[in-house]
Amino acid sequence: DQQVKQNSPSLSVQEGRISILNCDYTNSMFDYFLWYKKYPAEGPTFLISISSIKDKNEDGRFTVFLNKSAKHLSLHIVPSQPGDSAVYFCAASVGDNYGQNFVFGPGTRLSVLP
Amino acid sequence: NAGVMQNPRHLVRRRGQEARLRCSPMKGHSHVYWYRQLPEEGLKFMVYLQKENIIDESGMPKERFSAEFPKEGPSILRIQQVVRGDSAAYFCASSPSSTGLPDTQYFGPGTRLTVL
Repeated sequence: DQQVKQNSPSLSVQEGRISILNCDYTNSMFDYFLWYKKYPAEGPTFLISISSIKDKNEDGRFTVFLNKSAKHLSLHIVPSQPGDSAVYFCAASVGDNYGQNFVFGPGTRLSVLP
Repeated sequence: NAGVMQNPRHLVRRRGQEARLRCSPMKGHSHVYWYRQLPEEGLKFMVYLQKENIIDESGMPKERFSAEFPKEGPSILRIQQVVRGDSAAYFCASSPSSTGLPDTQYFGPGTRLTVL
């Protein structure tokens, strides 16, 4: 039973365009969400997070949107660059479990084409 | 300021042998987490430790797997009598002492275990 879903295994985008990566969750108790980027043979790198008291968080080219009623979040990358090509994982945790036991989605492989 | 360190990066074991994976958290971090990533899957939480304490081991298989984070030295994930299904990438992450705010976890490069 996957509590965090990333239904697109892969996504290809042209350089300079917007990349939108989606994530859905089923556990309504989740109230802290993160996105990680992972290159081959490396550990995941933290990108951006959002708590459920917000619906948007922006950091440079990266923006995360949270729709609590739909149990959906998305990561927007604008403009996309070839170096953004990686696997992106969405993760979630429960309020009284901050920093513990993150539940990860299966990942979406983003390819940014030059 | 060194990040999370894991060694070895690659480990090959034959069925029935023991595997020991080590993790040194970032400086100033006292919380350690272990995750396993099977091929084509996301990361699965295994265990959360603080110094000398196991806080949450709900993701650990009931047998053959154990973890520790001693007062001195790295955290160790130990797998006894390895089987082929244990072949995976094992990632360690660390976070600072909890301040009551959400803590981001910072990951090491992982140990890739191959069981022959």
